Formats: sequence, C-alpha cells, structure tokens
Amino acid sequence: GQQVMQIPQYQHVQEGEDFTTYCNSSTTLSNIQWYKQRPGGHPVFLIQLVKSGEVKKQKRLTFQFGEAKKNSSLHITATQTTDVGTYFCASTMNYGGATNKLIFGTGTLLAVQP
Amino acid sequence: DGGITQSPKYLFRKEGQNVTLSCEQNLNHDAMYWYRQDPGQGLRLIYYSQIVNDFQKGDIAEGYSVSREKKESFPLTVTSAQKNPTAFYLCASSPERGHNSNQPQHFGDGTRLSIL
Repeated sequence: GQQVMQIPQYQHVQEGEDFTTYCNSSTTLSNIQWYKQRPGGHPVFLIQLVKSGEVKKQKRLTFQFGEAKKNSSLHITATQTTDVGTYFCASTMNYGGATNKLIFGTGTLLAVQP
Repeated sequence: DGGITQSPKYLFRKEGQNVTLSCEQNLNHDAMYWYRQDPGQGLRLIYYSQIVNDFQKGDIAEGYSVSREKKESFPLTVTSAQKNPTAFYLCASSPERGHNSNQPQHFGDGTRLSIL
C-alpha cells in the first residue's frame, strides 16, 4: 500500500542540540502535514506544506518540502525539554476512487536530556 | 470550547465481550476518523466517515464496527472478533469539504483499551 516512511525512528539529544526528522515517499505527494504527539497525549497539527520547495518556520522549527514533492523534513534548532514527543508527517493520498485520505508516517520519537 | 471528546479514557475488556468507545465533536466537522496506535507505532486507520449515515473501512477494519447516525457522533465498537484489541484508540475529525480536501485533522485525547 501507499506509505510514508520516516527516519530516524528514535533520536536522543542533549538539550541545546539540533534535531532533524525526515519523511520520504516513493510517489509524489500533494501535501505534507506535520503533527506532534507528546508522551501520553494525542497528535496535534503543527503545519501544512503544499508547494514544491516550500519552507516554513515556527520559532525554532523549520519545515521543508522537497523540490520533487517526495520528501520533507522538520528541523528543530537548539532543542528544549518541551520538544520531547513523537513527530509524525502525514500526506493526503488517494485511498481508492475519488477519496483522498491522510496517511501517517511511522513517526520519530525525540528524547531530550536536560 | 470546541473540540473532540472521547470517553472513557481507560477501558478494560473481558474475553468475548464487545465494548463501545465514544467520540463526540462540536466542531461542526463533516468527516470523522478512528485510528489505532500500538506502543511505539504510528497511526493506523480503522474506519472513517465523510458524512452522516455513511462510513468506509480503513486499513484494519476487521473486528471493529462503527455508526454515524449524527454528525457529532462516531462511536467505535470493538467486537469479540478483534483478537488483539489492546491499544490506544484515537478519534479525529476534519472539515473535509470535497474529496480533495487537505484539511488537517483534530484529535481527541484517546481511549486506552486493555484486555482483562
């Protein structure tokens, strides 16, 4: 089936270090959404990218959509303990017929050591 | 406050028992979804509904059933046919205007289901 792969599965950093998670697909994506799930919590929407090569920033977070629209990245500068959680990418893909549904990536768990 | 309410937060199921998880939203969203999340895993789609009185199977619908009698409500029943039901169940909704909608999804707090 259609899949969106994320790497790494897990990353442990010291507070203040940078962090990047990557999202890859074998097919062209119509869009990329990023979600954050805190431990024990539910996914929360962060941002959506739709244009080839698009870059968006939210404070210390930088989101990028590849030129070929087959990959995306989320970069966190100078991590803080509040950044702990699992980061998921997701994309709207055709789910049979005319229906497009959101397919989630496998997620990257970020641990930040104070 | 608008949002999605899931209940209960924790649920225990006995062998051979059906249990129903509640999901209610007051966001006036057309589309609603049920996902299953296993420890350290991503989200897998169980069922989704784009409109009242209509729903479709997702990737892992076997052993589950849903109904959408009201726009606000999308309950999920975990039947005895689901042999490994222990998981974190998340309900979500989105405005979903049209088949090509790219609307983000809003999630409830989830229900943790365990086997007794």
